[in-house]
Amino acid sequence: AQTVTQSQPEMSVQEAETVTLSCTYDTSESDYYLFWYKQPPSRQMILVIRQEAYKQQNATENRFSVNFQKAAKSFSLKISDSQLGDAAMYFCAYALGTSGSRLTFGEGTQLTVNP
Amino acid sequence: GAGVSQTPSNKVTEKGKYVELRCDPISGHTALYWYRQSLGQGPEFLIYFQGTGAADDSGLPNDRFFAVRPEGSVSTLKIQRTERGDSAVYLCASSLMQGSVHGYTFGSGTRLTVV
Repeated sequence: AQTVTQSQPEMSVQEAETVTLSCTYDTSESDYYLFWYKQPPSRQMILVIRQEAYKQQNATENRFSVNFQKAAKSFSLKISDSQLGDAAMYFCAYALGTSGSRLTFGEGTQLTVNP
Repeated sequence: GAGVSQTPSNKVTEKGKYVELRCDPISGHTALYWYRQSLGQGPEFLIYFQGTGAADDSGLPNDRFFAVRPEGSVSTLKIQRTERGDSAVYLCASSLMQGSVHGYTFGSGTRLTVV
């Protein structure tokens, strides 16, 4: 079974600074995808960034980038130039690269951005 | 519709009662997922529909939980003889055939409180 672990229940960062959220996962599969989702108080899960396991290049989306270490099964999220609106719960998630694959989520990291 | 709609937004029920939670996915999305998110935790998979059929119901915790999607669009999650431990946010997500590739879109969830 696949598992996802986020070892940082809470993190804080100063506005305009950079913060890195950690995630490790365990799988024996070779075809899979990794995700970071943001969940604000509205409860809706919002996709931040996605990484295909077969791609060696780390995904980037504006201020958000990942450090994907496939051998170490590590998938960290870096947020640059943090903004107040980045404050939320962040979840790392895994899904197989097959039709109908469900997401397996980590426990989450609560990010606080201090002005 | 433009997004995934879940109703009601909040539901308070008495222990032992029956509840129904509704999910209206994005038009054309054939895959539909239900997740349960307990306080302070990541969402946990409950059931996955491809079209009208439940392709994977391995996450349903017991036989008090049941879900249907009779016409391949709207889905209803049904909980019989509710218990206080059923209190959680129930999230619905939809996607084109392969969510890991096409992306999952989440609703804002239903917060169920059993008193």
